[in-house]
Amino acid sequence: AQKVTQAQTEISVVEKEDVTLDCVYETRDTTYYLFWYKQPPSGELVFLIRRNSFDEQNEISGRYSWNFQKSTSSFNFTITASQVVDSAVYFCALSGEMNNQGGKLIFGQGTELSVKP
Amino acid sequence: NAGVTQTPKFQVLKTGQSMTLQCAQDMNHEYMSWYRQDPGMGLRLIHYSVGAGITDQGEVPNGYNVSRSTTEDFPLRLLSAAPSQTSVYFCASQGQLKETQYFGPGTRLLVL
Repeated sequence: AQKVTQAQTEISVVEKEDVTLDCVYETRDTTYYLFWYKQPPSGELVFLIRRNSFDEQNEISGRYSWNFQKSTSSFNFTITASQVVDSAVYFCALSGEMNNQGGKLIFGQGTELSVKP
Repeated sequence: NAGVTQTPKFQVLKTGQSMTLQCAQDMNHEYMSWYRQDPGMGLRLIHYSVGAGITDQGEVPNGYNVSRSTTEDFPLRLLSAAPSQTSVYFCASQGQLKETQYFGPGTRLLVL
């Protein structure tokens, strides 16, 4: 079975603080994909990053960075120097390649990030 | 390209009524999915399709039907709405397994 766990339900930080959102996953697939999505208060789901299971390189995009560690089945997301506009719910998700799993994403429960000025 | 579109944006139903949530994509994507989002539970997969004419159940399929007669459209039908189906519904599409899944703007459904 596949599962994604985001243990942090809510996080509150003050602007300019760094914050890390945790994501732990479970899968028996050898090939799989991990995602992060952002859901701002307006409600839409915004794609942030996709990582496949064979690429463990960390990635940085501006103030965002992602740390993928297969050894601990984690795919954590760090926002550096947080801003009020980062306030949103962030979802980690998993998709497997075996057994015709196209179109199926398994989501974590989400972490609500509040950045206060 | 409009991407993934959903209609309506908001709907109120009475228990027992039926309705269809529409979803369309103009990216020629093979894979399409329906999710529901409930507070504290993330998004859960209702039904998905890997191509025209092929659909399968997700995690929470009960009370919902789907069909995929064309590549572009993937409607979700509620045959007899129940209050437990009050939720926000998202449709998504994906071109290939290695690609990103893109979401529509969502439909907020309230069943009284």
